[in-house]
Amino acid sequence: SQLAEENSWALSVHEGESVTVNCSYKTSITALQWYRQKSGKGPAQLILIRSNEREKRNGRLRATLDTSSQSSSLSITATRCEDTAVYFCATANSGTYQRFGTGTKLQVVP
Amino acid sequence: EAAVTQSPRNKVTVTGGNVTLSCRQTNSHNYMYWYRQDTGHGLRLIHYSYGAGNLQIGDVPDGYKATRTTQEDFFLLLELASPSQTSLYFCASSETGRDSDYTFGSGTRLLVI
Repeated sequence: SQLAEENSWALSVHEGESVTVNCSYKTSITALQWYRQKSGKGPAQLILIRSNEREKRNGRLRATLDTSSQSSSLSITATRCEDTAVYFCATANSGTYQRFGTGTKLQVVP
Repeated sequence: EAAVTQSPRNKVTVTGGNVTLSCRQTNSHNYMYWYRQDTGHGLRLIHYSYGAGNLQIGDVPDGYKATRTTQEDFFLLLELASPSQTSLYFCASSETGRDSDYTFGSGTRLLVI
């Protein structure tokens, strides 16, 4: 079963703009991981945010976690064409592996 | 740098055929995973392992077998391939399981005709 879901199938922004990808999930979690997958490649981890954290940053990326609403967001500032990719959230709960959402396709155009 | 290598990159087989997908990690990670990726479903876990000789089932294990022969090597076996198993397959490794970073390979694209 799909326990995590990104809330948009596709987004398009112009280079330099900011964008936010949202994710909702259905069970209690111990952590949530954001991944990026570029065309022809496997997913690459971006930010791991644990259930006792509310915000985490990695350069131009900022992840938030709201356990009360069971949602997370990934914001990218000053987007670049190379940020074009599919973005996934993956949740970790009582099991020993992460479950992935279906992904949001982000296109950054010049 | 941590690495996960999958082979082959592409594979075509006939219905009922026998296929083995290979994965090797040089990360010294304990956990290894096989996921399949399909449009509209994201990545779904088939099997995983937390050490040589160990095997655990994931969310979509039917029609698949797996074997972890060493710390480094994890294989996915399709003994009677069906068209529904046409997919993009990813192997991943992680140090401690669910709360740690996953390192993914580049994928194997399988077509069952």
